[in-house]
Amino acid sequence: IAGITQAPTSQILAAGRRMTLRCTQDMRHNAMYWYRQDLGLGLRLIHYSNTAGTTGKGEVPDGYSVSRANTDDFPLTLASAVPSQTSVYFCASSDQSGGDINTQYFGPGTRLTVL
Amino acid sequence: GQNIDQPTEMTATEGAIVQINCTYQTSGFNGLFWYQQHAGEAPTFLSYNVLDGLEEKGRFSSFLSRSKGYSYLLLKELQMKDSASYLCAGMDSNYQLIWGAGTKLIIKP
Repeated sequence: IAGITQAPTSQILAAGRRMTLRCTQDMRHNAMYWYRQDLGLGLRLIHYSNTAGTTGKGEVPDGYSVSRANTDDFPLTLASAVPSQTSVYFCASSDQSGGDINTQYFGPGTRLTVL
Repeated sequence: GQNIDQPTEMTATEGAIVQINCTYQTSGFNGLFWYQQHAGEAPTFLSYNVLDGLEEKGRFSSFLSRSKGYSYLLLKELQMKDSASYLCAGMDSNYQLIWGAGTKLIIKP
C-alpha cells in the first residue's frame, strides 16, 4: 500500500508556464486537500474536495485550480506560474465518512521553484 | 478570526523532557491535532484531542483544555531523532485544519 503519492518530486518552472502537480491516494479516502508550505508560515490550504465531483476553495486559492474526477486523483494546476508560487506543495487525504477522526495523511510533497 | 500560536523554536537536551505549548482560536472546534515534520519530509500524525485532559502514547503525551483554548505536547526521554518541527492544528466547524507555523525542536547531546 503506497498511501499518497505525488509527482513530480521537484520542478523548476519558468514564469508564465502551465504546470500540473499530480496526487493519487489508494486509501479510498473521500476527502483530499492541497496545501502550500512556506518558511515561517503554517500550512495554508489552497483547495479541497470532500468527495469525488466536488471541490472548494481554501485560504489561498488564487492562481490555482483543481479537479476531482474520481476518488483517487486530485491534480492541482497552476495556469500561469508566478515566482510567488515557489513553495513546497503537499497533498493530503482523510476519511470523513464518520469512522475516523478526520486525520489527514500527507504525501511526500512537491518542491516547486518558479523563475 | 482563526489563529494558532506556538513558539518558533525550542532547544532541549537528549534524555530530558520538553513541553511544546499551543493556543488556538477556531470557528467552532472539532479537535486539536499534533503532527511531527522532519526537515524535507511530510508531516506525520502524532496525536488528537477533542476532550479535556491528557492523552498518552508512549513517550509522547498531548493535553487539551477547551475552556482555555490551550494544548501542549509533552515529549519524554528525548532522543536525537526527535529533532523536528512539531505542528499544532485546530479543526474548525467545517472540519478544516487551521495550522500553526510549527515549533522547531533542537535536541542537543
